[in-house]
Amino acid sequence: AQSVTQPDIHITVSEGASLELRCNYSYGATPYLFWYVQSPGQGLQLLLKYFSGDTLVQGIKGFEAEFKRSQSSFNLRKPSVHWSDAAEYFCAVGVRTASKLTFGTGTRLQVTL
Amino acid sequence: GAGVSQSPSNKVTEKGKDVELRCDPISGHTALYWYRQSLGQGLEFLIYFQGNSAPDKSGLPSDRFSAERTGGSVSTLTIQRTQQEDSAVYLCASRTGAEQFFGPGTRLTVL
Repeated sequence: AQSVTQPDIHITVSEGASLELRCNYSYGATPYLFWYVQSPGQGLQLLLKYFSGDTLVQGIKGFEAEFKRSQSSFNLRKPSVHWSDAAEYFCAVGVRTASKLTFGTGTRLQVTL
Repeated sequence: GAGVSQSPSNKVTEKGKDVELRCDPISGHTALYWYRQSLGQGLEFLIYFQGNSAPDKSGLPSDRFSAERTGGSVSTLTIQRTQQEDSAVYLCASRTGAEQFFGPGTRLTVL
């Protein structure tokens, strides 16, 4: 069965600093990979997804992620964080387009001014 | 267009009572999922409906949990004889292509 690990439970960065959130997955074939963001009291919003092709994917709100097969990773990055980016971020994996998603435990991002 | 909606947004119930949670998916989305988000467990899959196919119930934690989807649209998640460990946020998602769109969730508190 597939699994997802987000090793950082909580990260604090200063506004304007760069950000990288780590995600490692376990699955025997090429998975479908997703990053979602959840603001307090809100549902999950899709930031970006990877299915195939170019390993660097661009998402909304200035986020990007890079799929590295050799490291089984799909880390999320942003060059300059804004205070409004404070939220919880979830990495998820699916094994085909129709499948359920398996989520990591999430990383809570705090942004200091 | 409207997104996925869920009702109620909050539900407080007493241990042993039954509860029903509702999900209205995005119009035209044939796939619908229920997930549960609880402290210490993260987000876990509960059940998946796809068109007229038999639902994938592999994530339901016990036989107290059930769900139905009427007319290929609205879905209801029912929890019978609620327990305190059922307290969580229940999220519904509908899908087009490979992307799942999530509703705001129902926060269930079992006293």
